[in-house]
Amino acid sequence: DTGVSQDPRHKITKRGQNVTFRCDPISEHNRLYWYRQTLGQGPEFLTYFQNEAQLEKSRLLSDRFSAERPKGSFSTLEIQRTEQGDSAMYLCASGRRGRRETQYFGPGTRLLVL
Amino acid sequence: GENVEQHPSTLSVQEGDSAVIKCTYSDSASNYFPWYKQELGKGPQLIIDIRSNVGEKKDQRIAVTLNKTAKHFSLHITETQPEDSAVYFCAASSGGNEKLTFGTGTRLTIIP
Repeated sequence: DTGVSQDPRHKITKRGQNVTFRCDPISEHNRLYWYRQTLGQGPEFLTYFQNEAQLEKSRLLSDRFSAERPKGSFSTLEIQRTEQGDSAMYLCASGRRGRRETQYFGPGTRLLVL
Repeated sequence: GENVEQHPSTLSVQEGDSAVIKCTYSDSASNYFPWYKQELGKGPQLIIDIRSNVGEKKDQRIAVTLNKTAKHFSLHITETQPEDSAVYFCAASSGGNEKLTFGTGTRLTIIP
């Protein structure tokens, strides 16, 4: 396993701009999760994919947020019209079929909205 | 939904001593309890996990205990070393619900 990778690692943007993050899961992991972590807090669940199907979305995921996993491999998380409150670490995790609960996290993308 | 509480928020121990971090959960349907270690600027790293059909699990210097009746679980680190200094998170999830609900974290500092 090469590990979960995320790109970019850091993003600074101005309020109102759109941003997109990418996550590449561990190969052959069919489950992919997005979490958000603010300073001093634990990660909070945003959404979850099994293969290309988005199976659950948190109420934290407002209509400005959209996530895709078009071919069941990498995933993207887009935030439109960013707000200062969107500043956080965005974490991606993936899980292996047959061990449905175990989630392995990537290094995260730290977003700062000015 | 699930609510996970974690204590203490900060913990300092002398190198070589033991550290214990405790978590409680609210959803009796929760059946999977992982612990993660997060170092500055990095993503959480899974260090140990336990499922509800087991009361205790050990991996070298790390052990986790689970009390389903009381709905609490604990992380025990023995013979602590400076590299154990990090923020530790507990989490819980229930079968059929894939999301993890995390505690608020414990910042562990090992004093040389």
